[in-house]
Amino acid sequence: ELKVEQNPLFLSMQEGKNYTIYCNYSTTSDRLYWYRQDPGKSLESLFVLLSNGAVKQEGRLMASLDTKARLSTLHITAAVHDLSATYFCAEAAGNKLTFGGGTRVLVKP
Amino acid sequence: EAQVTQNPRYLITVTGKKLTVTCSQNMNHEYMSWYRQDPGLGLRQIYYSMNVEVTDKGDVPEGYKVSRKEKRNFPLILESPSPNQTSLYFCASSPRGRINEQFFGPGTRLTVL
Repeated sequence: ELKVEQNPLFLSMQEGKNYTIYCNYSTTSDRLYWYRQDPGKSLESLFVLLSNGAVKQEGRLMASLDTKARLSTLHITAAVHDLSATYFCAEAAGNKLTFGGGTRVLVKP
Repeated sequence: EAQVTQNPRYLITVTGKKLTVTCSQNMNHEYMSWYRQDPGLGLRQIYYSMNVEVTDKGDVPEGYKVSRKEKRNFPLILESPSPNQTSLYFCASSPRGRINEQFFGPGTRLTVL
């Protein structure tokens, strides 16, 4: 059974500081996705990581994938209020996506 | 505009009263899927469909039915809803084999009393 675990479940951030969200998954999948969800909204795709060592960056967000450790990280640089949201990682196996429990991020001034 | 639509967006119902949540996509996608979202559990897949007349169970199919008679529509049916099916439901679609390109619908918040 696929299992995806995110840590932490909740992250209170101070503006300007750096933080990391961790995503551990259970299979040898080499496809890992990150999504963002704003309150009351649907999911928005952030990153698609398709191979070991993959690193993707968009603005203050950077995602990486280590398939040997079965670990993906989402790094937030110099947090700003606009990044307040819930972030999900998801592992793909075949035609199935298994999501982590989500990390709720709140960025305070 | 490419989109996945769901109806209704909000629904309050009572235990045992059959209901259907519709999902429609206008992108000619082969793959469609239903998820439920519960706090701390992320999204869990209920059913998915690879194409017309092809459906398969996800992780939490109990208490749900689906059908795929047309490519664009993938309704979710709760024959006898129970309070533990109170949740936020998302429909999604993608081209075949490109699950990373899933478009998610706006969500349906269901409350079963």
